[in-house]
Amino acid sequence: QVHLVESGGGVVQPGRSLRLSCASSGFTFGDYVMHWVRQAPGKGLEWVALIWHDESNIFYADSVKGRFTISRDNSKNTLFLQMNSLRAEDTAVYYCAREEGGTTSLDYWGQGALVTVSS
Amino acid sequence: SYVLTQAPSVSVVPGKTARITCGGNDIGRISVHWYQQKSGQAPVLVVYGDSDRPAGVPERFSGSNSGNTATLTISRVEAGDEADYYCQVWDNTNLQSVFGPGTKVTVL
Repeated sequence: QVHLVESGGGVVQPGRSLRLSCASSGFTFGDYVMHWVRQAPGKGLEWVALIWHDESNIFYADSVKGRFTISRDNSKNTLFLQMNSLRAEDTAVYYCAREEGGTTSLDYWGQGALVTVSS
Repeated sequence: SYVLTQAPSVSVVPGKTARITCGGNDIGRISVHWYQQKSGQAPVLVVYGDSDRPAGVPERFSGSNSGNTATLTISRVEAGDEADYYCQVWDNTNLQSVFGPGTKVTVL
């Protein structure tokens, strides 16, 4: 079965960097578009970024453009999110999610990694 | 960017029907997906492509989309349906995915 497991969350000071990873199993990772979605405490879902299976297309939410970088290593079945210049408003649970082929819907989600930006 | 609107909350009696709406400009022309998120858990896809159900999602969950409103309908509501529900679309103009603000469904 499909599994997505995020790691790398933690507490970081404003202005610093953090890198999240999402390890996948149970499917051919290199065949799928992957996304990051976040959820601030007590708030709704916010889409962050997506990356095509072959990295030919990458898109970001305006709120993270220029500060966050999504990438992937298909040989290791792993998705990444490099987060630089972190702000208090980036505090959230970060989910990685798989896109259902050709539909733009997200059919499998990880359990999330909590990132807290605080001095 | 494309904006989606949802009512903050909906209350329903067990056994009755809950309708959760998602508003957007000409939303009927794009594909809408719906997610259920129970407290402390990751979201789960319950409807995709306006009205299709992933495997394992009960037939009680159905979707429709026309004009400026998409609707998720939960028939014969059960206590276990209590959750937050989010709609989502792909904004092909700004090349971003967009989530609605969410609707909290309370089963009385």
